[in-house]
Amino acid sequence: QKEVEQNSGPLSVPEGAIASLNCTYSDRGSQSFFWYRQYSGKSPELIMFIYSNGDKEDGRFTAQLNKASQYVSLLIRDSQPSDSATYLCAVNSGGSNYKLTFGKGTLLTVNP
Amino acid sequence: GAVVSQHPSWVICKSGTSVKIECRSLDFQATTMFWYRQFPKQSLMLMATSNEGSKATYEQGVEKDKFLINHASLTLSTLTVTSAHPEDSSFYICSAAQGARNTIYFGEGSWLTVV
Repeated sequence: QKEVEQNSGPLSVPEGAIASLNCTYSDRGSQSFFWYRQYSGKSPELIMFIYSNGDKEDGRFTAQLNKASQYVSLLIRDSQPSDSATYLCAVNSGGSNYKLTFGKGTLLTVNP
Repeated sequence: GAVVSQHPSWVICKSGTSVKIECRSLDFQATTMFWYRQFPKQSLMLMATSNEGSKATYEQGVEKDKFLINHASLTLSTLTVTSAHPEDSSFYICSAAQGARNTIYFGEGSWLTVV
């Protein structure tokens, strides 16, 4: 059974701080990793994807991947109240079918 | 960027009736689409993988005769909830894989309420 684990939170940070979201996965053969943001009542929207070990930066967002530790994280710098949402970690275990396994999500609250 | 569109955004139906939800990839061809269901405060649960031109692959525990999936073209997949019951009320979301970008995009989701 392939599993993706996330701390459900809620994670509360003040505006301007760095929010750190963590995710672990059980399938060592996993190849690609995604972070989605989901506002209440809305569909998930893709924030970032990462395939290789190390860091990947996109604006205020940095994804970090450590395949040896089966760990992927998302850092949000200069957090804004509009970043308040549930963040979903998703893992694709490979192949061409793009089948994702999702974590339960971490609820982030950024306080003004 | 790539866009995946779902219709309707929300629907209310009577118990025992059937409801069809459409998922379209607007600017790319998607040989594979996915259907998810999400109950309040829970994560997305994959229901089935929709393959263009062939039968859908259902996840364990999902009734294929109740949730009919048709992927008739490279840009359209449909999910029909047959003989709907109140417990089928949920947020249904589709996604499509864009091979060129090796990424997966979600539709806006469809809220189904069965009364």
